[in-house]
Amino acid sequence: KQEVTQIPAALSVPEGENLVLNCSFTDSAIYNLQWFRQDPGKGLTSLLLIQSSQREQTSGRLNASLDKSSGRSTLYIAASQPGDSATYLCASCSGAGSYQLTFGKGTKLSVIP
Amino acid sequence: SAVISQKPSRDICQRGTSLTIQCQVDSQVTMMFWYRQQPGQSLTLIATANQGSEATYESGFVIDKFPISRPNLTFSTLTVSNMSPEDSSIYLCSVLLEAPYEQYFGPGTRLTVT
Repeated sequence: KQEVTQIPAALSVPEGENLVLNCSFTDSAIYNLQWFRQDPGKGLTSLLLIQSSQREQTSGRLNASLDKSSGRSTLYIAASQPGDSATYLCASCSGAGSYQLTFGKGTKLSVIP
Repeated sequence: SAVISQKPSRDICQRGTSLTIQCQVDSQVTMMFWYRQQPGQSLTLIATANQGSEATYESGFVIDKFPISRPNLTFSTLTVSNMSPEDSSIYLCSVLLEAPYEQYFGPGTRLTVT
């Protein structure tokens, strides 16, 4: 059974810093991996999706990498802003047929002005 | 991408009653999912709902407690039956868009059972 772990559980940084969020998974046979953002009391916003054959994806100030062999993904946020404050979730997709997502517990990010 | 709406956005219900949550998507999709997020926890998959077939439930979730309907390719409902305070959670629906098989989530329904 897939297990997804996110470290750290919480992170506080001053505005303008670059930061890295970590995600690890136990079963490397994933179809893809998604990073989401969740604001308090809200649903999930999809940030980036990395296919199993890809090494990284970029969107604006966000860059996600994937190393399937080591079971790791990172989300890099450049020049952090207070509006980036949220919980970031990574989720691995089980693959063809079911496409079920297994979520980590998330990293709660606070960007201090 | 997909635009997903859920109704109600929140509700407070009494123990022993049932609540039906609606999920509407702006395009036709084959696969829809229902998740539960208990307070302070991450998301747990309840079931997969494909149009034209019975929902597939994950371990720990049963149809009598969480009946699901999927009458067409843009709509689904999840009922939380015979509620107890332990059912207090956020319930989210999601849809799978084909190629690159990315999931999009609705805004969630915040349920409090008293």
